[in-house]
Amino acid sequence: DQQVKQNSPSLSVQEGRISILNCDYTNSMFDYFLWYKKYPAEGPTFLISISSIKDKNEDGRFTVFLNKSAKHLSLHIVPSQPGDSAVYFCAASNHAGNNRKLIWGLGTSLAVNP
Amino acid sequence: DGGITQSPKYLFRKEGQNVTLSCEQNLNHDAMYWYRQDPGQGLRLIYYSQIVNDFQKGDIAEGYSVSREKKESFPLTVTSAQKNPTAFYLCASSIVLGNYNEQFFGPGTRLTVL
Repeated sequence: DQQVKQNSPSLSVQEGRISILNCDYTNSMFDYFLWYKKYPAEGPTFLISISSIKDKNEDGRFTVFLNKSAKHLSLHIVPSQPGDSAVYFCAASNHAGNNRKLIWGLGTSLAVNP
Repeated sequence: DGGITQSPKYLFRKEGQNVTLSCEQNLNHDAMYWYRQDPGQGLRLIYYSQIVNDFQKGDIAEGYSVSREKKESFPLTVTSAQKNPTAFYLCASSIVLGNYNEQFFGPGTRLTVL
């Protein structure tokens, strides 16, 4: 049973526009959420995170929004650049008892067209 | 330069042979992880270790074994019991203290069993 869901396998956006990647989760005990970016045949790189005590976290062109009541988070990339084309993974964790395991979504492949 | 190294980048083995994938980190992280990624799939946790000489099974541990004799090293052995060993293998590490800790990934090893 997928606890972290990224329902859009792919997304195509024009350069300069906003990219919005969505992620839903089912476990209300998750208290920390992360976004990773991955190029083919490489390891994922950490992008941005948010804890459950916040509803927004911003880092340059990347902003993550968390809606706990809807169990939904989204990653906004503004403006989108061709170099942003990659697979984006959403991950979640519950740190009760020092559990460091991350639960991963299946990823959304973003294509930013020049 | 601090980071995680995985070697080799590409590995070929004959069916029925055990093979060991290397993972080394110099980030002074206590926790280390092994994931497997298959096409169209997210990251699936094989094994993880939060301290030297201790490790736990992840979601798909069957056919794999690990050891954690040193803080810096977490080798993964893919045994002949693993039914579908051909995959992209990713190693990661994180700190354990504190509440919110992202995982840092190595570049991955592509294992092909012929």
